Amino acid sequence: DIQMTQSPSSLSASVGDRVTITCRASQTISRYLNWYQQKPGKALKSLIYGGSNLQSGVPSRFSGSGSGTDFTLTISSLEPEDFATYYCQQSYSGPWTFGQGTRVEIK
Amino acid sequence: EVELVESGGGLVQPGGSLRLSCAASGFTFYNYWMTWVRQAPGKGLQWVANINHNAIEQYYVDPVKGRFTISRDDAKNSVYLQMNSLRVEDTAVYYCVRLRFGSTTNYFDYWGQGTLVTVSS
Repeated sequence: DIQMTQSPSSLSASVGDRVTITCRASQTISRYLNWYQQKPGKALKSLIYGGSNLQSGVPSRFSGSGSGTDFTLTISSLEPEDFATYYCQQSYSGPWTFGQGTRVEIK
Repeated sequence: EVELVESGGGLVQPGGSLRLSCAASGFTFYNYWMTWVRQAPGKGLQWVANINHNAIEQYYVDPVKGRFTISRDDAKNSVYLQMNSLRVEDTAVYYCVRLRFGSTTNYFDYWGQGTLVTVSS
């Protein structure tokens, strides 16, 4: 199975900060990397697919980059509604696997 | 608007069975693969099973193979997860998810709110 490792596991940031979350795959996954946002009591939300494609309706402050084994999710200027847990996920080969999550908290 | 609503979760004893349902609306259901993903309490996400748009192909994560069965009824716009021989480690919130296939990527584009399955004696 392909292991997905996110870093950091959690971070504290302020509104307006630039935030970067890293996801590393245990083997190459081309650009088959997706990002999701989870908030308590709400359905998970797709943010980025194919490494860098912004899901329709997602604010442009979210961006994704990377290919092969190393990927990044960037929030250019953190908004209050962005405090949540973020997961990366590979869809290169089965079983499709997720990172352990990165919790973004208010500083 | 795409909507996925799960039901059927609850408390069950180890070795028992449960059938989860997911009612879909807001899109042409028979055109899409569907998926179940689970999340144990306080833990991360785990893909559980996929079913293709004509129900010919099903795929499962190893821990549930031979115990869980994914199925669909396109006339009812619904997907199901039959869970047998349940174990304590199957305790989780189970999410119904729409799977989007693209030319260069596959991803989960819409998620339900989830239904909690608790396996305990």
